[in-house]
Amino acid sequence: DVKVTQSSRYLVKRTGEKVFLECVQDMDHENMFWYRQDPGLGLRLIYFSYDVKMKEKGDIPEGYSVSREKKERFSLILESASTNQTSMYLCASISTSPSSYNEQFFGPGTRLTVL
Amino acid sequence: AQKITQTQPGMFVQEKEAVTLDCTYDTSDPSYGLFWYKQPSSGEMIFLIYQGSYDQQNATEGRYSLNFQKARKSANLVISASQLGDSAMYFCAMREDTGRRALTFGSGTRLQVQP
Repeated sequence: DVKVTQSSRYLVKRTGEKVFLECVQDMDHENMFWYRQDPGLGLRLIYFSYDVKMKEKGDIPEGYSVSREKKERFSLILESASTNQTSMYLCASISTSPSSYNEQFFGPGTRLTVL
Repeated sequence: AQKITQTQPGMFVQEKEAVTLDCTYDTSDPSYGLFWYKQPSSGEMIFLIYQGSYDQQNATEGRYSLNFQKARKSANLVISASQLGDSAMYFCAMREDTGRRALTFGSGTRLQVQP
């Protein structure tokens, strides 16, 4: 089974802190994604990556950056956390192999609170 | 630009009855995929069903079926014989096959199954 793990389920940080959210997948997937989930808004794409050291902005990249130094790991960075970044963060991955093309696998999510 | 609309913020259904969750979408890409995910209170995203834009038949997976009406751009999820464990948030999502492989999500429908 594909497994996507995230470093923390719950995280509490202070305004202005630098925050790292880590995501690891174990199925050699090329594509990885970071979404944030807010009530009434569904999931919105922050950043994605097609391969190592490649990154693309999603729909709401402001205030975030990402790092992909290894294929299995995709990190989301909040350079200076703000209260409006309090949210649920979900990582996902997908293979480009046609046999598994259809499903995007999600991690368990990190609920971040910025005080 | 892609857009997914789920007009039902909340739904109630009696146990053992069928329920339809509505989803409409908008895209100019002729090739796309439509997905439904379930998110229980634990937070994980569970993939339920997929429909490709060129699929002639409606997708089915056990008690889940997708009522795909391409001309109307709708992709409603039908859950037959509802169970208490079906109580959750349900998200409709779309991915255009040309371009980024990220999903665009609707705002979700919270389904509550009553005994």
